[in-house]
Amino acid sequence: SYELTQPPSVSVSPGQTARITCSGDALPKKYAYWYQQKSGQAPVLVIYEDSKRPSGIPERFSGSRSGTMATLTISGAQVDDEADYYCYSTDSSGNHRGVFGTGTKVTVL
Amino acid sequence: EVQLLESGGGLAQPGGSLRLSCAASGFAFSAYAITWVRQAPGKGLEWVSGITGNSGVTDYADSVRGRFTISRDNSKNTVYLQMNSLRGEDTAVYFCARVRTATVGTWYFDYWGQGTLVTVSS
Repeated sequence: SYELTQPPSVSVSPGQTARITCSGDALPKKYAYWYQQKSGQAPVLVIYEDSKRPSGIPERFSGSRSGTMATLTISGAQVDDEADYYCYSTDSSGNHRGVFGTGTKVTVL
Repeated sequence: EVQLLESGGGLAQPGGSLRLSCAASGFAFSAYAITWVRQAPGKGLEWVSGITGNSGVTDYADSVRGRFTISRDNSKNTVYLQMNSLRGEDTAVYFCARVRTATVGTWYFDYWGQGTLVTVSS
């Protein structure tokens, strides 16, 4: 089955830049999506179709994709950004549904 | 305001059944597919099942196919997940979410409910 691999954890100081990577074999041809999940809460879509931000998501969140890797960047990270982040994408089969990445815990301190 | 509210979670015995509901408001319900995603305690997100707006297409993860059934009642703005033959590994918070379809046909999820906890244990 298709897998999306993320680093288990990323630490960043307030005001610095955090980068979270997501690796998958089908990413050269498939969009990546990113979800933020704070403790005890539902996931929130922060990036869709590689680099688009939904309404209400701060500009410090940005996304990119190159080759087999997608990246979520938090520029000027804030304490409130501390959360688990999951990438999401599909495999190359053409199936409409995708898989979630393994998740990355972002710590801001 | 888009809202999704899950209910029906609780404790079930192995081999037992539960039916989850997802009540939606704030958007044209019948125009959207709805999906279920679960999260086992301390684990990541796992897509479970989805249904298109007119119920024409239903889909399931391999881990639940043949045991779970998704359905919807557009007159009640509600999606259901009937879970039979429950196993310990089905223990999780179950979220429902609204589906958007990307230009290339991929389903992704833009609004989520707060989830309902299902515990399978004797």
